[in-house]
Amino acid sequence: DTGVSQDPRHKITKRGQNVTFRCDPISEHNRLYWYRQTLGQGPEFLTYFQNEAQLEKSRLLSDRFSAERPKGSFSTLEIQRTEQGDSAMYLCASSVDRYTEAFFGQGTRLTVV
Amino acid sequence: EDQVTQSPEALRLQEGESSSLNCSYTVSGLRGLFWYRQDPGKGPEFLFTLYSAGEEKEKERLKATLTKKESFLHITAPKPEDSATYLCAVHRNQAGTALIFGKGTTLSVSS
Repeated sequence: DTGVSQDPRHKITKRGQNVTFRCDPISEHNRLYWYRQTLGQGPEFLTYFQNEAQLEKSRLLSDRFSAERPKGSFSTLEIQRTEQGDSAMYLCASSVDRYTEAFFGQGTRLTVV
Repeated sequence: EDQVTQSPEALRLQEGESSSLNCSYTVSGLRGLFWYRQDPGKGPEFLFTLYSAGEEKEKERLKATLTKKESFLHITAPKPEDSATYLCAVHRNQAGTALIFGKGTTLSVSS
């Protein structure tokens, strides 16, 4: 499978716990994006990487959120001290460059109880 | 502020009943407009990219068009398997920007 891969697909956690999600982009895609989507809404931009450099972060990305893309390959998104409002689908996407279409993974569904 | 607005929010069609979905945008310098399909519980699936006004793209029963202010996704003779949420996204002509999405149109096609 050469698509974008996300792990885990589902995560249930207690409020206050830390969680980490992983994204493996399409091989040789330089751009990697993280989005968050809640029910009935379109994906909301969180952050993106050009190779290993994190170039933009949304105002939605509070201090509890951190993302990395070591060596410009896979990426991780960590949420510290989770809150119920963090419950959402977290989507990862990758693209060849800044102007071409982005391909999405299947997402990680986070439920904070 | 850059915005993407999709209408209607929901659309119910009978099988074979053609219709159009609208995506209007206000962005400072459009670099590209993208259409995606999303099934429940899954990530968006790429459909089309449009770069300039007047451009059209087709795929099976879907046809996307672009003007300077909006894009349409025309669905001809839809089938129940076309039921999904259709998302529109734009890319601004500005360094360091990501896709901005609309809220989507949820299409239901009944047989």
